Amino acid sequence: SAVISQKPSRDICQRGTSLTIQCQVDSQVTMMFWYRQQPGQSLTLIATANQGSEATYESGFVIDKFPISRPNLTFSTLTVSNMSPEDSSIYLCSVDPRQGVYGYTFGSGTRLTVV
Amino acid sequence: QKEVEQNSGPLSVPEGAIASLNCTYSDRGSQSFFWYRQYSGKSPELIMSIYSNGDKEDGRFTAQLNKASQYVSLLIRDSQPSDSATYLCAVNPLTQGGSEKLVFGKGTKLTVNP
Repeated sequence: SAVISQKPSRDICQRGTSLTIQCQVDSQVTMMFWYRQQPGQSLTLIATANQGSEATYESGFVIDKFPISRPNLTFSTLTVSNMSPEDSSIYLCSVDPRQGVYGYTFGSGTRLTVV
Repeated sequence: QKEVEQNSGPLSVPEGAIASLNCTYSDRGSQSFFWYRQYSGKSPELIMSIYSNGDKEDGRFTAQLNKASQYVSLLIRDSQPSDSATYLCAVNPLTQGGSEKLVFGKGTKLTVNP
């Protein structure tokens, strides 16, 4: 399965600032996914990032708040903009390197606290 | 709205017993089904995937799928304290445009008591 490096692993940020989370995969993948897991909750998909095209956002998530870059087939970034305490969550990137054959792999996650 | 439902638990079983975790899904056209284990403070770890009706066994884990009933389950035999975690059911629903994305249930917290 793919190995995903995600950083930072955690951060404490002031409200109104932005944080960029990086996700690096050890193999080329078509799609990368960004999820949010709020405290005590399950995972909610934020957006799907394809290389060379605009990310596709799920209902309730907008590009101005969560801009995503996907410059190549092994790397993506998610920015959490103009943060508020409600953005305190774990953010996870995920890939499906085998197109449904072996399942999805997650990065180690970024634990974000906004104060 | 594609939905995946799980009993949130907590489910508590004694060491050595069989733990049974259940999941239902709303999209009848769903094709792929996954079970993830998530330890507290960690990211989800894929433990089982199943695509066809019936049972799939891997070590102490057995996944069961019944597409007619829109039901998928995970059995953990000879449960160990190290199995104590939250188990997430995830479904890949059929979506227009072919995007491959997972919908997760809220998870079932399992505690295995020594």
